[in-house]
Amino acid sequence: QKEVEQNSGPLSVPEGAIASLNCTYSDRVSQSFFWYRQYSGKSPELIMSIYSNGDKEDGRFTAQLNKASQYVSLLIRDSQPSDSATYLCAVNGANAGKSTFGDGTTLTVKP
Amino acid sequence: ETGVTQTPRHLVMGMTNKKSLKCEQHLGHNAMYWYKQSAKKPLELMFVYSLEERVENNSVPSRFSPECPNSSHLFLHLHTLQPEDSALYLCASSQDIRRTGNRGGYTFGSGTRLTVV
Repeated sequence: QKEVEQNSGPLSVPEGAIASLNCTYSDRVSQSFFWYRQYSGKSPELIMSIYSNGDKEDGRFTAQLNKASQYVSLLIRDSQPSDSATYLCAVNGANAGKSTFGDGTTLTVKP
Repeated sequence: ETGVTQTPRHLVMGMTNKKSLKCEQHLGHNAMYWYKQSAKKPLELMFVYSLEERVENNSVPSRFSPECPNSSHLFLHLHTLQPEDSALYLCASSQDIRRTGNRGGYTFGSGTRLTVV
């Protein structure tokens, strides 16, 4: 079992729809959770971080964390073609600054 | 300058060459990382430095040699590489939570696209 697993993708949604990206992790004592966006040919960019159970909203993005289920998700509302990218989930252990990354899910938003 | 700066952006080298990749962060972070990203593959952690001490070496071949002279600079020295080493090499920085309690994520540089011929 991988330490961090994401939807295999690719995921395709129409413009204006909600895109839902999911991630599960194996280390129960993980404390910090991140979502990165990576455009083709570019480096990853941090877009969301979440540390407590529940929802965290930032503009059109909502991160959801459920530590009991070891599950973290990212919702993108009113998806735009510019949201088309690979989204990486990353998890930090309880005493580590190092992140473990998932393989990424590629999202395509069709006009 | 702000953020994390990597140079060069592109590098083509022969298998017998020696070259170095440079990374500089202007964020006051105390941890720096080298990652390798090959085409259609996930990020592979290579090295971790925290407060200039190498805390992780992820079974990387000795033809890759890291150097961290201070908390703002990180180098990756390359020698006698193989064609399969061609990839995007990413530097990142963060705050090491074990020392500061700050749980922020990574800031990545733009990467060096390396081609070994």
